[in-house]
Amino acid sequence: ETGVTQTPRHLVMGMTNKKSLKCEQHLGHNAMYWYKQSAKKPLELMFVYSLEERVENNSVPSRFSPECPNSSHLFLHLHTLQPEDSALYLCASSQGGLARSFDTQYFGPGTRLTVL
Amino acid sequence: AQKITQTQPGMFVQEKEAVTLDCTYDTSDQSYGLFWYKQPSSGEMIFLIYQGSYDEQNATEGRYSLNFQKARKSANLVISASQLGDSAMYFCAMRELWMDSSYKLIFGSGTRLLVRP
Repeated sequence: ETGVTQTPRHLVMGMTNKKSLKCEQHLGHNAMYWYKQSAKKPLELMFVYSLEERVENNSVPSRFSPECPNSSHLFLHLHTLQPEDSALYLCASSQGGLARSFDTQYFGPGTRLTVL
Repeated sequence: AQKITQTQPGMFVQEKEAVTLDCTYDTSDQSYGLFWYKQPSSGEMIFLIYQGSYDEQNATEGRYSLNFQKARKSANLVISASQLGDSAMYFCAMRELWMDSSYKLIFGSGTRLLVRP
């Protein structure tokens, strides 16, 4: 595997379900990100992890819970989601992250989530 | 206020011709970075090209070039010799300071490019 991978690629869940999205990067990067892409809206950053330290984003509802056990893996745990949470969830990684310097982010293929 | 503006929701181009995708931005920072990403129907965001605010030369990467006009705050993407595989959504993004200690990308609304055979 190369680059950034995400599983599953598609997920359908009910509002009472609990599921997790997984992201893995094979680039040796130190920072990982979760983005949400809804229809007709720009990409929105949800969470950033740098060297496994999370940068808080208070605008993200608590029904989304990220986890970064090491610099190569990132999870997004989902519980009691709403239909409006249906979107494409993209994971990205970069070399730095919290450093004040240029940093290209490389994205995975995304998980298309549908909440019924 | 919108930080990244892409005024062309959709564009057509004939195969083998060049096309320019517009992007304007708004920032008060002196040091910033501008990116272009391509998103095919599969969903993956593919990094295309980067321009730093202090770079004197316009960035180029193969068939992609960035027409950077700092005074006008524009960073247009030029694709030369369009190919059918270039049909996709194209997003302009700017690196912005976030939460006082990290950077995030602010994305525009995107331009859907369709290459005609």
